[in-house]
Amino acid sequence: DIVMTQSPDSLAVSLGERATINCKSSQSVLYSSNNKNYLAWYQQKPGQPPKMLIYWASTRESGVPDRFSGSGSGTDFTLTISSLQAEDVAVYYCQQYYSTPYSFGQGTKLEIK
Amino acid sequence: EVQLVESGGGLVQPGGSLRLSCAASGFTFSNYWMAWVRQAPGKGLEWVANIKYDGSGENYVDSVKGRFTISRDNAKNSQYLQMNSLRVEDTAVYYCARVDGAKGGTPDIWGQGTMVTVSS
Repeated sequence: DIVMTQSPDSLAVSLGERATINCKSSQSVLYSSNNKNYLAWYQQKPGQPPKMLIYWASTRESGVPDRFSGSGSGTDFTLTISSLQAEDVAVYYCQQYYSTPYSFGQGTKLEIK
Repeated sequence: EVQLVESGGGLVQPGGSLRLSCAASGFTFSNYWMAWVRQAPGKGLEWVANIKYDGSGENYVDSVKGRFTISRDNAKNSQYLQMNSLRVEDTAVYYCARVDGAKGGTPDIWGQGTMVTVSS
């Protein structure tokens, strides 16, 4: 099974500043036949279900603000929020969907400094 | 509007059974794989199972294999999770999720969840 590890576990960033969350998979999630990384990012606010932000490691879901971006390939990935807004306070999860079971990272709690 | 509504959660004793349901609306249900994802209180997300659009294939996380069964009824736009031999560690909010093949097979739409509590 693929193990997903996020860092840091929690992060405090000032409003308007950049927030960066890392995600590492125990094996590559890059599918060679289509050169796509099977990696998604989700945002979960308290009392709500997760919301998809990014899929294919770097494709923004429709309606997601462009301050959210994803990057990386193979085993190392990053979610970047370019200018933190108050409504971005949440827990963020990465997930690999390269092979079942489709595992999630442990989550990163993002707060305002 | 695309919507997923779960039902069937509740309190059950260890060793007991429960059947969760998820009613879908706002999209062509039979075109999509579906999944269940759970979240224990105060913990992270755990993918539980998924099922192919026509019900001909299923996948499970090891911890529920042989105890949980995912199924669907495309005529009713619904999917189900039959949970048997429940354990205390199965206590969680269970989310129903639509899986978008165009995005590679990851959940893109989630329900609000239904709480399952396994306790004596």
